[in-house]
Amino acid sequence: DQQVKQNSPSLSVQEGRISILNCDYTNSMFDYFLWYKKYPAEGPTFLISISSIKDKNEDGRFTVFLNKSAKHLSLHIVPSQPGDSAVYFCAASAGGNTPLVFGKGTRLSVIA
Amino acid sequence: GAVVSQHPSRVICKSGTSVKIECRSLDFQATTMFWYRQFPKQSLMLMATSNEGSKATYEQGVEKDKFLINHASLTLSTLTVTSAHPEDSSFYICSASSNGGNSPLHFGNGTRLTVT
Repeated sequence: DQQVKQNSPSLSVQEGRISILNCDYTNSMFDYFLWYKKYPAEGPTFLISISSIKDKNEDGRFTVFLNKSAKHLSLHIVPSQPGDSAVYFCAASAGGNTPLVFGKGTRLSVIA
Repeated sequence: GAVVSQHPSRVICKSGTSVKIECRSLDFQATTMFWYRQFPKQSLMLMATSNEGSKATYEQGVEKDKFLINHASLTLSTLTVTSAHPEDSSFYICSASSNGGNSPLHFGNGTRLTVT
């Protein structure tokens, strides 16, 4: 039973346009959400996070939106750049020291 | 920023042998480290939570006698895959948080294990 779902395995976007990566979750106890970026043969690197008390968090070109009622979050990258091409993982936590639960990832390709 | 170093990055071993993977936090102390496993096109699956000075907490379905975890110091955790089999071939990644818990995790670059 997947508690964190990234239903799009891949996404292709033109350089300069907006990339929108989606993530759904089922566990209502999750209260902290993170996005990680992963290049091949490397470990994931932290990108941006949001706690359940917020519905938006912005950091430069990256914005994460959280819709608690829909149990849905999304990562917006604008403008998209070729260097953004990577696999993006959505992760969620029920707080404290409970383990992160990851989605399967979405491979983003930004085409020049 | 915080850095987690994982070694080796790639290892090929014969079936039946054991392999040790090291995970070090380079500029912070990590009382808790996490070990993940990733199959192709799958998500990162938590294997175990490694606690400094105490026994690791394994996730359901992970054999503790096969995947030995030692967290002897605040900067080092090791995962030993004992009596490796081809089905153990996978990408293993460790992670740690510089301020405890999950917020946010810093990951090593992973170890690609191939068992022949």
